[in-house]
Amino acid sequence: EAQVTQNPRYLITVTGKKLTVTCSQNMNHEYMSWYRQDPGLGLRQIYYSMNVEVTDKGDVPEGYKVSRKEKRNFPLILESPSPNQTSLYFCASSSGLQPQHFGDGTRLSIL
Amino acid sequence: KQEVTQIPAALSVPEGENLVLNCSFTDSAIYNLQWFRQDPGKGLTSLLLIQSSQREQTSGRLNASLDKSSGRSTLYIAASQPGDSATYLCAVRRIYGGSQGNLIFGKGTKLSVKP
Repeated sequence: EAQVTQNPRYLITVTGKKLTVTCSQNMNHEYMSWYRQDPGLGLRQIYYSMNVEVTDKGDVPEGYKVSRKEKRNFPLILESPSPNQTSLYFCASSSGLQPQHFGDGTRLSIL
Repeated sequence: KQEVTQIPAALSVPEGENLVLNCSFTDSAIYNLQWFRQDPGKGLTSLLLIQSSQREQTSGRLNASLDKSSGRSTLYIAASQPGDSATYLCAVRRIYGGSQGNLIFGKGTKLSVKP
């Protein structure tokens, strides 16, 4: 089954404790992306990757890092999380200009 | 800067009605426009994608249109059902630096279909 898998689905942590949210897709898609969704602000892109070893900033990259060492994986790294990064995070992938497929989301709470 | 607006923010209709959701965008330099559905606590499900050269796409009871010159898209839902209750999001894929850029989302229309 074609899917985008995010882990963990839920995480409560404390300020400053480094964390990684993993994202994996099994569709051999070149393009992968991370979004955050906040009430009243909608979905905003954090980082995206056009292919292996090619990443670029989206609209709200501050406080986040990504890497794309393999085509299927695109982890999101929060080196020193802060409460303003409490949000619902989505990973997505697509091939060319085809529809983007989204993961089920990761709800992150930073105390 | 590309901005995507969806009107109305919320809509409540009785079961069986036909309805139209609206999406507008400020910059016509787009590759495509995609409509999504999001259920509470869930991810996004792609409903329809319209390439910039197309005028409309249909899937079952859904029909999406695109008028790039006026910066508008509509999602038409025929014979609405309670199972259609969800938030509907519109997103445009912008052209950036001559290549495909990221998706810019509207804030969504929350649809409630009453039995």
